[in-house]
Amino acid sequence: GAVVSQHPSRVICKSGTSVKIECRSLDFQATTMFWYRQFPKQSLMLMATSNEGSKATYEQGVEKDKFLINHASLTLSTLTVTSAHPEDSSFYICSAGQGNTGKLFFGSGTQLSVL
Amino acid sequence: QKEVEQNSGPLSVPEGAIASLNCTYSDRGSQSFFWYRQYSGKSPELIMFIYSNGDKEDGRFTAQLNKASQYVSLLIRDSQPSDSATYLCAVNRNTDKLIFGTGTRLQVFP
Repeated sequence: GAVVSQHPSRVICKSGTSVKIECRSLDFQATTMFWYRQFPKQSLMLMATSNEGSKATYEQGVEKDKFLINHASLTLSTLTVTSAHPEDSSFYICSAGQGNTGKLFFGSGTQLSVL
Repeated sequence: QKEVEQNSGPLSVPEGAIASLNCTYSDRGSQSFFWYRQYSGKSPELIMFIYSNGDKEDGRFTAQLNKASQYVSLLIRDSQPSDSATYLCAVNRNTDKLIFGTGTRLQVFP
């Protein structure tokens, strides 16, 4: 399957700081990438769809000014959690689709802990 | 009604048995169906996908789709302790978005 790389794998930060997470498609070009959040023992919740060269599409209830998404190239999307608070602590996972197959391949995830 | 429903489990099966995981979906327009495996603290890994009614086999895994009943299942033959994980069912409505179920936790005991 396709390879999606996500960094960092774990972040611990103080409340009020911003954290940037990178997602790269290593062996294919992804015009669309997706950002998910997962709380312990819960399912994946789609936060936003990242579109190369245009604005991201956010799901209902997700604050676009808090979760900044940039998709500047066909292989890189970034998620910045601005002014992080303890309730933002979660497992953040990016994914990218391969062509029109509908298949999604996931990055390894980023465990964010806000103190 | 949730768009994609799964029994949260845990489903406990002995080593060597067949594990049967089930999923129902509400949107009849759904086109593609996926099963992901997720180990604790890790991201999901695609293990099976199916687009047409019927069965699709890949090694020890068989995906079954019944669009009339809006039902998709995953069978794992000769279950191994290493198969213990949460299995996520996901449905695509011919868009880029995948809708995930909450997952079924499978426990395979020796």
